[in-house]
Amino acid sequence: AQKVTQAQTEISVVEKEDVTLDCVYETRDTTYYLFWYKQPPSGELVFLIRRNSFDEQNEISGRYSWNFQKSTSSFNFTITASQVVDSAVYFCALSSEYGNKLVFGAGTILRVKS
Amino acid sequence: GAVVSQHPSWVICKSGTSVKIECRSLDFQATTMFWYRQFPKQSLMLMATSNEGSKATYEQGVEKDKFLINHASLTLSTLTVTSAHPEDSSFYICSARRGYGYTFGSGTRLTVV
Repeated sequence: AQKVTQAQTEISVVEKEDVTLDCVYETRDTTYYLFWYKQPPSGELVFLIRRNSFDEQNEISGRYSWNFQKSTSSFNFTITASQVVDSAVYFCALSSEYGNKLVFGAGTILRVKS
Repeated sequence: GAVVSQHPSWVICKSGTSVKIECRSLDFQATTMFWYRQFPKQSLMLMATSNEGSKATYEQGVEKDKFLINHASLTLSTLTVTSAHPEDSSFYICSARRGYGYTFGSGTRLTVV
């Protein structure tokens, strides 16, 4: 069975601080895909990144960066110099090679205060 | 590209009535669509997977007779909440698979009064 754990229920930071959101996953598949989504108060899910299990390179996109470590089954997300607009719920998710369904973590509420 | 349109964005209905939510893939064909439900301050829970031209596959604990899913074409899937009750009030989100990615609709907030 696939499982995604986001142990941090809520994080509060002050603007310009760096923040890391943790994601730990479980799967028996050798090929799988990991995702991060942002859900602002409007409710719409905003796609941030997709990573397949064979690509362990870290990725940076502007203030966002992701650290994928298969050895610890983790796919952590870091926001550098956080901004108030980053306040949202962030979900980590996992799908199998055949993409039958996407399994979500519980989500982490990020509050960035000015 | 890869846009999924979901309507309505919000709906209020009386207890006992039925509500239909539509999910359309605008610029691609979606053979598989997914329906999720999200209660306040909770994660997205998969309700069912719908495949074009066949019966939907429901997750354990989801009443298939209450949540009717129809995926009659490659661009449209519908979720009908039958005989809605206040406990069905939730945020419903559809998703379409495209390659190894997923595109989500904007969600429908259902309130049953």
